[in-house]
Amino acid sequence: AQSVAQPEDQVNVAEGNPLTVKCTYSVSGNPYLFWYVQYPNRGLQFLLKYITGDNLVKGSYGFEAEFNKSQTSFHLKKPSALVSDSALYFCAVRDVGNTPLVFGKGTRLSVIA
Amino acid sequence: DAGVIQSPRHEVTEMGQEVTLRCKPISGHDYLFWYRQTMMRGLELLIYFNNNVPIDDSGMPEDRFSAKMPNASFSTLKIQPSEPRDSAVYFCASSLLGAHEQYFGPGTRLTVT
Repeated sequence: AQSVAQPEDQVNVAEGNPLTVKCTYSVSGNPYLFWYVQYPNRGLQFLLKYITGDNLVKGSYGFEAEFNKSQTSFHLKKPSALVSDSALYFCAVRDVGNTPLVFGKGTRLSVIA
Repeated sequence: DAGVIQSPRHEVTEMGQEVTLRCKPISGHDYLFWYRQTMMRGLELLIYFNNNVPIDDSGMPEDRFSAKMPNASFSTLKIQPSEPRDSAVYFCASSLLGAHEQYFGPGTRLTVT
């Protein structure tokens, strides 16, 4: 069965600094990987996905993620953090077929001015 | 497109009462998912449908919970009788076969007193 781990409950970063939110996964086949963001009192919002192809995936709001098969990781990154990036970030994985996404527990990102 | 629509946005009810949450998926989407989010347990998949047919309800906590999808544009999640431990935010999401990502509604915040 597929699983996702987000090892950090909280990440703090200063505005303007690069940010990284970590995610590792476990699947039996080739993974489909996703990042979502949740702002307070809102639903989860799709940021980006990796299905196949280039290991560096670019998404919304300047975010990108790098797929690393050997390390089974899919870390979310942004070169320069904004205060408005402060939110809860979820990594998710799907195995083959159309099985539902499996979500990590989420990482709370706090960008400090 | 209006996105996934959920109603009500907030529901406060007394223990023992019946609660019905409603969801309208994105037009044309053939998968619909119900999730529950709490601080303690994170995001949990309750049940999902494909073409209005329930595929996996193993996440439904107990028999007090039931879900239906009478047509492609409407689904309900019912709790009868409700208990204080059911207090959570309930999300509905939909997706299109082959598109991989899921789109979430704004959620219903349920409080059972």
